[in-house]
Amino acid sequence: DVKVTQSSRYLVKRTGEKVFLECVQDMDHENMFWYRQDPGLGLRLIYFSYDVKMKEKGDIPEGYSVSREKKERFSLILESASTNQTSMYLCASSKETQYFGPGTRLLVL
Amino acid sequence: AQSVTQPDIHITVSEGASLELRCNYSYGATPYLFWYVQSPGQGLQLLLKYFSGDTLVQGIKGFEAEFKRSQSSFNLRKPSVHWSDAAEYFCAVGETTDSWGKLQFGAGTQVVVTP
Repeated sequence: DVKVTQSSRYLVKRTGEKVFLECVQDMDHENMFWYRQDPGLGLRLIYFSYDVKMKEKGDIPEGYSVSREKKERFSLILESASTNQTSMYLCASSKETQYFGPGTRLLVL
Repeated sequence: AQSVTQPDIHITVSEGASLELRCNYSYGATPYLFWYVQSPGQGLQLLLKYFSGDTLVQGIKGFEAEFKRSQSSFNLRKPSVHWSDAAEYFCAVGETTDSWGKLQFGAGTQVVVTP
C-alpha cells in the first residue's frame, strides 16, 4: 500500500512565524502535491513537484513556498504565517492516481 | 480548463437506503475521473477511478460509479448505506494530456446517515 505521512496532525502557530509542513511518501512517486482544504471550497492546489528540485505553482501559491530536496520528501513553507492561512493542509503523491496523507490542521493565531 | 461540480452540498440518507452522489465535469476530451472519501479529521481515501474501458466502475466499500460521456457525469452510487458511510465525498477530474497528474476537485458532498 502507498503510504503518505505528514509530520504533524495539528499545529498552532503565531502570526509572522515561519512554518514548515513536511510530507513523506514511500512509493517512489515522481509527483507530489500540496493542497489546502477549506469548508465549501473543496481542495485547492498550492504547489506541486514533478521531480527533485522541480516545482510548479498551483492555483493559490501566494504566501507559500515549497522544497523538494529528495524524491520522497516534499515540504510546504509558510514564510510568514497569517491568520488567513488557518486551514487543513493535505499532501498527496502520485504516479497515475493521487494518494493522500492524513492532513495537518494548522491554526494561526 | 476543466471544472467539477457536485450539485449537492449535503445529503441525508437512512441507513439501508440507497445513495447517489452527483458529479458533473467540464472538459473537452475524456478525462480521468475519481471519487474520494474523507472521514472527519482524516485525509482522502480513494474509492474508485475511471481511466478508460467499461464505464461502470466498481470501487471499495461497495461503491460504484458510472461514466456517462453524453451527460459529462460520473455519479457515485451505493445500494445500501451503512452508518460508517457518513463522510464527505469528493469527485475529481484529471486531464489525460497532463503528465503531472494534476486534479481538479469538486467542493464535496457531506453525507449524513440516520438510523
